Amino acid sequence: RKEVEQDPGPFNVPEGATVAFNCTYSNSASQSFFWYRQDCRKEPKLLMSVYSSGNEDGRFTAQLNRASQYISLLIRDSKLSDSATYLCVVNRPGGGFQKLVFGTGTRLLVSP
Amino acid sequence: EPEVTQTPSHQVTQMGQEVILRCVPISNHLYFYWYRQILGQKVEFLVSFYNNEISEKSEIFDDQFSVERPDGSNFTLKIRSTKLEDSAMYFCASSGRGRVEAFFGQGTRLTVV
Repeated sequence: RKEVEQDPGPFNVPEGATVAFNCTYSNSASQSFFWYRQDCRKEPKLLMSVYSSGNEDGRFTAQLNRASQYISLLIRDSKLSDSATYLCVVNRPGGGFQKLVFGTGTRLLVSP
Repeated sequence: EPEVTQTPSHQVTQMGQEVILRCVPISNHLYFYWYRQILGQKVEFLVSFYNNEISEKSEIFDDQFSVERPDGSNFTLKIRSTKLEDSAMYFCASSGRGRVEAFFGQGTRLTVV
């Protein structure tokens, strides 16, 4: 089983739509979770950290379910500029802190 | 806004040559990393560096790879004898004290021919 699994997409949605991405992770000892955004041939950029209580940043909402080892990202009112690949990222605990494990990413295409 | 900077943005090298990729992490950050991304694949961890030593490395980071922080600002990745399969985007990242989230530089695209 992959350490971090995501649906690769692409998700094609019209502007204004709500879209949700899911991610599962295999290591139950993982403690830190993030969503990064990556534009084509660019660096990953931190979108938001994910907390057990869930957190929201404008149009973006992230949720964590530790029991199911499941992370989600909801984007409301999609903009053209949201088109990118969304990377689910989990830290690998033990043997050295702050080692991030990336999913393969879910590609989002927002069309006019 | 502080950022991680990397040079060069693109490097083309012949197989067997040595390359050095350079990074300037965010100035008050303490933890430094190299990741790589082969075209079309996921971002993969290479190595983490703290307190002037490697804290962890992946199985990819073999004897051909080394890292160094030669002064207070630069952080380098050296590949001693490049192979075709080393062609990838190499990202430097850094994170601050007590923080897990890492901030990435814009990457160096390494092409081995």
